[in-house]
Amino acid sequence: AQSVTQLGSHVSVSEGALVLLRCNYSSSVPPYLFWYVQYPNQGLQLLLKYTTGATLVKGINGFEAEFKKSETSFHLTKPSAHMSDAAEYFCAVTDAGGTSYGKLTFGQGTILTVHP
Amino acid sequence: EAGVAQSPRYKIIEKRQSVAFWCNPISGHATLYWYQQILGQGPKLLIQFQNNGVVDDSQLPKDRFSAERLKGVDSTLKIQPAKLEDSAVYLCASSASSGGAVFFGPGTRLTVL
Repeated sequence: AQSVTQLGSHVSVSEGALVLLRCNYSSSVPPYLFWYVQYPNQGLQLLLKYTTGATLVKGINGFEAEFKKSETSFHLTKPSAHMSDAAEYFCAVTDAGGTSYGKLTFGQGTILTVHP
Repeated sequence: EAGVAQSPRYKIIEKRQSVAFWCNPISGHATLYWYQQILGQGPKLLIQFQNNGVVDDSQLPKDRFSAERLKGVDSTLKIQPAKLEDSAVYLCASSASSGGAVFFGPGTRLTVL
């Protein structure tokens, strides 16, 4: 069975500050890992994903994440927060041995607030 | 390219009533998913279709939930009868194939009173 833990249900940063959202996973098989963003009253939008290859992956809107197998982590970062980054962020995992990116196990989400 | 469409966007019903949600995936997408997102939690997969066949419905509460995708295009999710704990956002998602990028719809927010 797979599980995802996001440390901190709420994170608050100042505009221009570093954004760090933490994600740890548990999986008995090599995982594929994802970060999604959800704006109010909207669906989930894929920020980035790790499948194979380079462990540092870059996504949209200046976000990136690093897969660290030894730490079972996939933390999301952005060097400089923008007001438009305020949203809820979800980390998700799926079984790399399977064939479906859509059978996702999600974390509980982290709400990011950006202060002027 | 049009995204995943869902209707209605909001629904309020009383417990023990029935409700149905509709999803129209992105044109040509063979794989369709329904997720349930309870407030304060991440989405949970309910069911996955490949064309008009069910691939995985292991987390669908089959005593009250049902879903179909008769022609392999749009899909409906039904709850009968609804319970208070069914209050959630129901998200539909689709992908071109089971291994392809997944696109989510805006969701239907259900409130059961």
